[in-house]
Amino acid sequence: RKEVEQDPGPFNVPEGATVAFNCTYSNSASQSFFWYRQDCRKEPKLLMSVYSSGNEDGRFTAQLNRASQYISLLIRDSKLSDSATYLCAVPKTSYDKVIFGPGTSLSVIP
Amino acid sequence: DAGVTQSPTHLIKTRGQQVTLRCSPISGHKSVSWYQQVLGQGPQFIFQYYEKEERGRGNFPDRFSARQFPNYSSELNVNALLLGDSALYLCASSQGHLNEKLFFGSGTQLSVL
Repeated sequence: RKEVEQDPGPFNVPEGATVAFNCTYSNSASQSFFWYRQDCRKEPKLLMSVYSSGNEDGRFTAQLNRASQYISLLIRDSKLSDSATYLCAVPKTSYDKVIFGPGTSLSVIP
Repeated sequence: DAGVTQSPTHLIKTRGQQVTLRCSPISGHKSVSWYQQVLGQGPQFIFQYYEKEERGRGNFPDRFSARQFPNYSSELNVNALLLGDSALYLCASSQGHLNEKLFFGSGTQLSVL
């Protein structure tokens, strides 16, 4: 099993739709989790951090399920500008390397 | 404040050559990580340095090496380049070795012909 796996996508959704991505991780000792957004041929940029059960920032909600070892990202009222690849990132421990998933591609269509 | 800076932005090399990529972290950040990203895949961890010491190494051959300088800048070296080394090389800095938020540079696009 890979250390971090994500929904393969691509997700093609209309403007205004709600879309959710899942990310599973293998290391039960991981304490923090991150979602990054990456636009085509650009660097990843931090979208959200998740340290406890979840986090919400405007239209974006991240939830953590430690028992099942997955985190999800929910995007409400999708905008065209949300089109990007969303990367899940999990540090193995607080003092260890950060492992990225393969990413989930989202295209929001008019 | 300046973000993470990487140089060069683009590089074309031939098989067998050697390459050095450079990274300057955000001021005050002591940790630098290097990632390789092939088109369509997520970033793959190569190295992490904190306070000039190697703290983590990914599954890359010994042709890949790195170091961190007293000013916390870093270099990634790749020897005996292969076609498969063609990728976007990303540098990320963070405040400490706690590997919290990573701030990425815009990367170096390496093409090996």
